[in-house]
Amino acid sequence: EAQVTQNPRYLITVTGKKLTVTCSQNMNHEYMSWYRQDPGLGLRQIYYSMNVEVTDKGDVPEGYKVSRKEKRNFPLILESPSPNQTSLYFCASSFGSGGRQPQHFGDGTRLSIL
Amino acid sequence: AQTVTQSQPEMSVQEAETVTLSCTYDTSESNYYLFWYKQPPSRQMILVIRQEAYKQQNATENRFSVNFQKAAKSFSLKISDSQLGDTAMYFCAFMKHGYGGSQGNLIFGKGTKLSVKP
Repeated sequence: EAQVTQNPRYLITVTGKKLTVTCSQNMNHEYMSWYRQDPGLGLRQIYYSMNVEVTDKGDVPEGYKVSRKEKRNFPLILESPSPNQTSLYFCASSFGSGGRQPQHFGDGTRLSIL
Repeated sequence: AQTVTQSQPEMSVQEAETVTLSCTYDTSESNYYLFWYKQPPSRQMILVIRQEAYKQQNATENRFSVNFQKAAKSFSLKISDSQLGDTAMYFCAFMKHGYGGSQGNLIFGKGTKLSVKP
């Protein structure tokens, strides 16, 4: 089954404790990205990756890091999480960056930073 | 910069009736894509319908259809024969056409919470 898998689904942690949210897709997609969803703000892109070893900032990259060492994986790293990063996070992937191919979303990760 | 505006934070509709969700956007691009995504309480993001700006014909998917007015920069979603399972948050989104990295960025509106009542 074609899917984007995020882990964990839920995480409660404390300020400053490094964490990683994993994202893996099994569709051989080149393009992957991370979004955060906040009430009243919709979804906003954090980082994206065009292919292996090619990453770039989205609209709200501060406080986040990413890597793309393998085509299927695109982890989101919070090196020193803060309460303002409490949010719902989505990973998405598609064959290309243009809108011809739909983006497939993971099921989301709810992060709470205390 | 592109912006997407959904002016209706919440709406409700009776089961089996028709409802229209509004979306307007602002862009200087001539070619782009527009989307409606559904987010049920399970919080999955589900693509409902997609419209390519250079296509004049409005997209339809079963009970879902859009009214795309390019000159007015309007992209409304009509849900016919509403069902209880349509209860969800609906997001309108914009994407530039092209193949550069930034073209993959979906610009979302703030969402409309739709409740379908029995």
